[in-house]
Amino acid sequence: DVKVTQSSRYLVKRTGEKVFLECVQDMDHENMFWYRQDPGLGLRLIYFSYDVKMKEKGDIPEGYSVSREKKERFSLILESASTNQTSMYICASSHNRLAVVHEQFFGPGTRLTVL
Amino acid sequence: AQSVTQPDIHITVSEGASLELRCNYSYGATPYLFWYVQSPGQGLQLLLKYFSGDTLVQGIKGFEAEFKRSQSSFNLRKPSVHWSDAAEYFCAVGAQGGSYIPTFGRGTSLIVHP
Repeated sequence: DVKVTQSSRYLVKRTGEKVFLECVQDMDHENMFWYRQDPGLGLRLIYFSYDVKMKEKGDIPEGYSVSREKKERFSLILESASTNQTSMYICASSHNRLAVVHEQFFGPGTRLTVL
Repeated sequence: AQSVTQPDIHITVSEGASLELRCNYSYGATPYLFWYVQSPGQGLQLLLKYFSGDTLVQGIKGFEAEFKRSQSSFNLRKPSVHWSDAAEYFCAVGAQGGSYIPTFGRGTSLIVHP
C-alpha cells in the first residue's frame, strides 16, 4: 500500500519556536508538496520540490522554508512560529513523468497549534 | 494560469438522494482534471481523474464526473448518497505541458442527513 507519512498528527508549539514538519513517501515520486489547509480557503501551496535539493515557492511561502536532501523526504520548517501559522499542514507527492500532471498522494496532515 | 471555482461551499443532501458537486475551471486548452475527497480525519484521496478520451469518467465509491468543454465544467455526481460520503470534496486542474503543480478549488463540504 503506497504511503505518504507525516511525522506528527498533532503538534503544539510556542510563539518563536523553530518547528520541523517531516514528510516521507515510499513511491519513488519526484515531486513533493507542502500545503496549508484553513477553513474556507482550501489547500494553499507553501512550497514545491521537483527533485532533490530543488524547490519552488508556492502561493504562501513567507515564514516557511523547506529542505529536500533525499528523494523520499521533504521537510517544512517554520523558522519562528507565530500564532497565524496555526493550521493543518498537508504533504503530498506525485510523479513528474512525461510532462503530465499526475495524481497526488496525500499524507494525513499535521494539525499545528502555535500558542 | 489555470483557476478552479467550486461555487458551493456547503451542500446538504438526504441519504439516498442524488448528488452533484459543481466545478468550473479556467484554462485555454484541455486540462487535466481531478476530484479528491477528504473524509473526517483522513488524508485526501483521489476519486477520479480526466486526462483525455471519454468525457464521462467513472471513479471509486460509485462517483462519476463529466467533462464538458463548452461549459468549462467537471461536475461530480453520485446517484445515491450514503452517510459515509459526508466529507470535503476538492476539484483540481492541471495544465498540459506546463508546471506539475495542480490548482485546487476551495472545496465543497457535503453534509448527509439520515
